[in-house]
Amino acid sequence: NAGVTQTPKFRVLKTGQSMTLLCAQDMNHEYMYWYRQDPGMGLRLIHYSVGEGTTAKGEVPDGYNVSRLKKQNFLLGLESAAPSQTSVYFCASSRLAGGEGETQYFGPGTRLLVL
Amino acid sequence: KNEVEQSPQNLTAQEGEFITINCSYSVGISALHWLQQHPGGGIVSLFMLSSGKKKHGRLIATINIQEKHSSLHITASHPRDSAVYICAVSHPYSGGGADGLTFGKGTHLIIQP
Repeated sequence: NAGVTQTPKFRVLKTGQSMTLLCAQDMNHEYMYWYRQDPGMGLRLIHYSVGEGTTAKGEVPDGYNVSRLKKQNFLLGLESAAPSQTSVYFCASSRLAGGEGETQYFGPGTRLLVL
Repeated sequence: KNEVEQSPQNLTAQEGEFITINCSYSVGISALHWLQQHPGGGIVSLFMLSSGKKKHGRLIATINIQEKHSSLHITASHPRDSAVYICAVSHPYSGGGADGLTFGKGTHLIIQP
């Protein structure tokens, strides 16, 4: 099993450009999450999904959109990138809800630089 | 919102030393997680615990629910233990609220040979 994979690994964007980050998991997990990690701060939840076709906002959702058309994929979109979105993005998945104390499995991360 | 505080922020020790990293949180939780992030960036779950103590190899994690405090111990530390150790908490499901983990800022551990 590949676990959780993320595409791309690294990307440079100019302000105003758009892009989509892809997360895929092969563990048949219901729950998927997008986090961002910034220097000096803990990981913060952007959006999450509790199943195919569902999405919900996390702590820092502004400037991002997500879609979960297939159970195994969770896409994070930036419609108009801003320098404040320079970060490392992690996708994670879990079998049950985080509130049930379920282990989350993380992807390798996507490093995004917005100029 | 739960506040998760870790200490120390940075720790440098010699190979073989006993290491302790602390985590405290402000609101009741369903579980506490210890994660490891290596210099390459990948994040791996080490432990998930809601009470007592868990041990895996040279790693030991304890939690005191009443005091809202957890510790991660590393015995006989080795340079390959050098990484960022992250504490995170799960909240009881709030039926529509943010359902991910709340993370501490991490403890950067360096073990020197």
